Order: sequence, then structure tokens, then C-alpha cells
Amino acid sequence: DGGITQSPKYLFRKEGQNVTLSCEQNLNHDAMYWYRQDPGQGLRLIYYSQIVNDFQKGDIAEGYSVSREKKESFPLTVTSAQKNPTAFYLCASTPGAGVETQYFGPGTRLLVL
Amino acid sequence: AQRVTQPEKLLSVFKGAPVELKCNYSYSGSPELFWYVQYSRQRLQLLLRHISRESIKGFTADLNKGETSFHLKKPFAQEEDSAMYYCALSGGATNKLIFGTGTLLAVQP
Repeated sequence: DGGITQSPKYLFRKEGQNVTLSCEQNLNHDAMYWYRQDPGQGLRLIYYSQIVNDFQKGDIAEGYSVSREKKESFPLTVTSAQKNPTAFYLCASTPGAGVETQYFGPGTRLLVL
Repeated sequence: AQRVTQPEKLLSVFKGAPVELKCNYSYSGSPELFWYVQYSRQRLQLLLRHISRESIKGFTADLNKGETSFHLKKPFAQEEDSAMYYCALSGGATNKLIFGTGTLLAVQP
């Protein structure tokens, strides 16, 4: 159904390994976001990007990195510095950077081996 | 500090009963408030936002600035309303959302 896609659906990480989660959108949206969803904690903002080649830290950016080289892509790397990476990761986008409805992807579940 | 509080982790009601999911917020300016819903095996999606003042799937929510609340209401619950509901706040120049911890609504037949 297009819109925002995330891959893979499930991802396994070994100790000390960096892994990258993919987020792609074909909505021509300017802004993109990464959230982490943990049981009982709701969604917390990791990073966001309002425009290509620019991004800002959210509330829990430590241990994560992002890039925004293309408008349609906003990959998230979970580095070995993230000590508790097991979670459900959601990507979202909005047409602009103002206060607008966010459109979410299906999510990636990251598990540590 | 900006904060969204949803005091109930689980709300269980019978079909046809009224529903009220509570949301309180803390914000120093004029916030934009949203309700997002996540049905089983579906994506998180917008249910409604306060500025539109729409009724979606029979749900309404009124922003009460005096009580800093944005409770979600529906007069007669349906089984298909069973889902996880998140209240969210946005403020300032960017569209950063602050989410509550969510309330799982279970509508029993």
C-alpha cells in the first residue's frame, strides 16, 4: 500500500554489532522521524529530519545515528553504544515541518541475540 | 516540562457501553493535541486532532485548557474499537510529538 515502508520486519543484532533500519517514503514528504516503542512507555523520539541533509536529536538519541541524503530515505543505525536496543522502531513522515498529521510505517522489531 | 499522561493502561468495557479514555497534558504554550490509534496488526494512525473538531468513528475529544485535558469519548463502544490508543501533544515550530504511554481499550461482546 506504499506510503512509508520499513525493512526488515524483524532484525537480530549480536553484541557489539551495528545494525541499520531502513525507512523509505514515496509521499514526497519533507520531514521524517524515528521513534522507539517500548511496552508501558509509549513512543519516544530518537531523531528527526525536517529537510534533506539536516537532522536533529530527539529525546533518546544516544547510541543511535541517522542520515538524510535523499528526501525519500531516512535510515537509522543502532550502534553498539546502545545498550538496550531491543524494541519496536517506528518511522514516520509529515508533508512539512509544521504541526501536521504524522504518517507511520509498519515498524521494525529489533532483537538482541 | 512537556508531558502527556494517560493514567489507564487498560480499559475494559462491554459493547454498547460509553467509553472515556483519559489524557492530561503539561505544556506552557498553546499545544496541538492528537489521538492516534493502533489496531491489531495495523500501523499507528491518526484518529483525530483537536483543531479539526471532527468526529471520527463516533469518537470525539474536547480540549479543556483549564483542566489541561483532552479526553477521548464515544457514547457506545463497538468490538472493532478494541485497540491501543495514544494521546500526543505537539508544540512549537516543529512537529515533534510527545506521546503518552497509551491505553489499551478492550471491548467485550
